[in-house]
This record gives sequence, C-alpha cells and structure tokens, in this order.
Amino acid sequence: GAGVSQSPSNKVTEKGKDVELRCDPISGHTALYWYRQSLGQGLEFLIYFQGNSAPDKSGLPSDRFSAERTGGSVSTLTIQRTQQEDSAVYLCASSSSSGGYEQYFGPGTRLTVT
Amino acid sequence: GENVEQHPSTLSVQEGDSAVIKCTYSDSASNYFPWYKQELGKGPQLIIDIRSNVGEKKDQRIAVTLNKTAKHFSLHITETQPEDSAVYFCAASISFYGGSQGNLIFGKGTKLSVKP
Repeated sequence: GAGVSQSPSNKVTEKGKDVELRCDPISGHTALYWYRQSLGQGLEFLIYFQGNSAPDKSGLPSDRFSAERTGGSVSTLTIQRTQQEDSAVYLCASSSSSGGYEQYFGPGTRLTVT
Repeated sequence: GENVEQHPSTLSVQEGDSAVIKCTYSDSASNYFPWYKQELGKGPQLIIDIRSNVGEKKDQRIAVTLNKTAKHFSLHITETQPEDSAVYFCAASISFYGGSQGNLIFGKGTKLSVKP
C-alpha cells in the first residue's frame, strides 16, 4: 500500500516568512510524529499525535513551531517567522497502535531559509 | 531523558566483510530498539528492530543483539555489498503494544561505505 507522503519535497523561503509542511500518514495509522534532521545531525523529535489525545509538544524548539492534525489523518507543521537555523529536513512518520511499534517515515521536506 | 550514543560515526569495509555498529542507551525503561537505513535524499527506512524481551533477532544478512543489563545493542551486517552503503541510525523508545507509543530517540548515525 501507499507509504507516508510529504509535501512539498523542497521549500526555499526568505527569513521571516511563514511556511507550512504537510504530511499524509499511512491509511489507518493513529500515531503521527514529526522529526527534524539538520545537516550532518541525527533526527530530533518535534511533536507526536496519538489518536484523539492531546499532542506531545515537548520537542518543539520554540513557540514559532506548531502543528495540527485534522480528522486524525493529515498533519501540517507550521513554522512562523522562519530563521536560518530552521533550515533542515523535516521528516514525518506514522505508526499503528493496533499493530506493533514500528514507525514508518516519509521522504521528508527539505527546508532552506535564505 | 533518554540518550543514545552510537559508534563508530564512519565505517569503511571491503565487500564481503562484516560490519558492526554499536549503540548504548541510558533509560532502563526503553523497550524498543529499531535500526534505520537512510540513503542520500531519502527518508529513513526501517530495516530491523528488537524488543526488550528478546536478546537477538536475525533477518537474512542483518542481525541485532540487545544486552539489557549493559544497556547496549548492536547491528551486525554480514557479507556486505556495495548497496549496503548508507547512513545507519539506531534508536530507542518506550512503547506499549496496542497503546501509546513514545517518540524515538536517535543516535547520531554511522556512515557505512562498502568498497567493491
């Protein structure tokens, strides 16, 4: 079946602008995660949605970052007033709580802030 | 919170040799340990995982071992091939089957190069 999809694949924006990144999880997966991968770094957890529960926002680096998940499916990560240090690959993963623990990743969105 | 250390950061082997990547974790409550392979320009791909009630798991040329007492786990790749060249990440989390699943804490990655 279809995997996790993300859009856009690449985004170039000017410092100070807002950006929205989209994630479509695997159909039926109730858990959705956002991670950030900076150049040469590992993956850093940002936010986690599980079903209808309140999201775990403990990884968000600042209040410029927010995310929502509509209808328990598609998620949007919003970065306001972008800074150059926000440049990174933003990865989304989904997981099925009725199955095992596995998290499956999308291809990511490469964000460049100029 | 959880901290995952991964070694080495780079590893170069000859085709056909074995490769071993090691990780340690700090939180004894962690119970799920996946390994991901990431090729250039792509998202991480889950290649094998192990849960804390198991000491070893094997899938063809790939195996993972877990030592809960020492809090370390390792990835073993035998008979390496050029297509195994990629960045490999280990991770740890606290997860509950059929319930809430914690976020993954990742190691910094190992760049594996397999020379033909």
